[in-house]
Amino acid sequence: QQQVKQSPQSLIVQKGGISIINCAYENTAFDYFPWYQQFPGKGPALLIAIRPDVSEKKEGRFTISFNKSAKQFSLHIMDSQPGDSATYFCAASFNGANNLFFGTGTRLTVIP
Amino acid sequence: NAGVTQTPKFQVLKTGQSMTLQCAQDMNHNSMYWYRQDPGMGLRLIYYSASEGTTDKGEVPNGYNVSRLNKREFSLRLESAAPSQTSVYFCASRFSGGETQYFGPGTRLLVL
Repeated sequence: QQQVKQSPQSLIVQKGGISIINCAYENTAFDYFPWYQQFPGKGPALLIAIRPDVSEKKEGRFTISFNKSAKQFSLHIMDSQPGDSATYFCAASFNGANNLFFGTGTRLTVIP
Repeated sequence: NAGVTQTPKFQVLKTGQSMTLQCAQDMNHNSMYWYRQDPGMGLRLIYYSASEGTTDKGEVPNGYNVSRLNKREFSLRLESAAPSQTSVYFCASRFSGGETQYFGPGTRLLVL
């Protein structure tokens, strides 16, 4: 049973456009929601993370929107660039981030 | 500062063979993790070690054993490999006072 559900599976966006990836969870004990970025042949790397006490967090072109009542969170990439082409994973955890539950991933392709 | 290193990068095994995947980190992190990544499944936690001398099961521990050799090293052993264990294996580490998990480059394992 997937603890964190992620959509879409793949996404193609024009350069300069907005990329949006969505995740949903059921376990209300989750208290940490990171997004990881993975390039082909590499390990995932933390991109941005949020805790449920805030509804939005922005770092440069990357924004997490968090809806606690709906148990959903999303990643928005503004002004998408070809260098953003990668696979993005949402995740959730509790108890000090030991057990990270990952979504199934979204392969983003940004077309020049 | 190499971060998290994994050996080997790639391995082919026959069903029933055993092997150990090695992981080391030079960031003085307390916690270490082993994940497997499969297409359409995201990353799933196999085992983790919150501190030197302790190990705990994750989501998918069956068929694996781990050893936290010292603070730097955390190994994953397959005693009798099965085709279902064909996957990419990632090691990660985390400082106990932080939330970010830092991933290694992965080991691709093919079990025939």
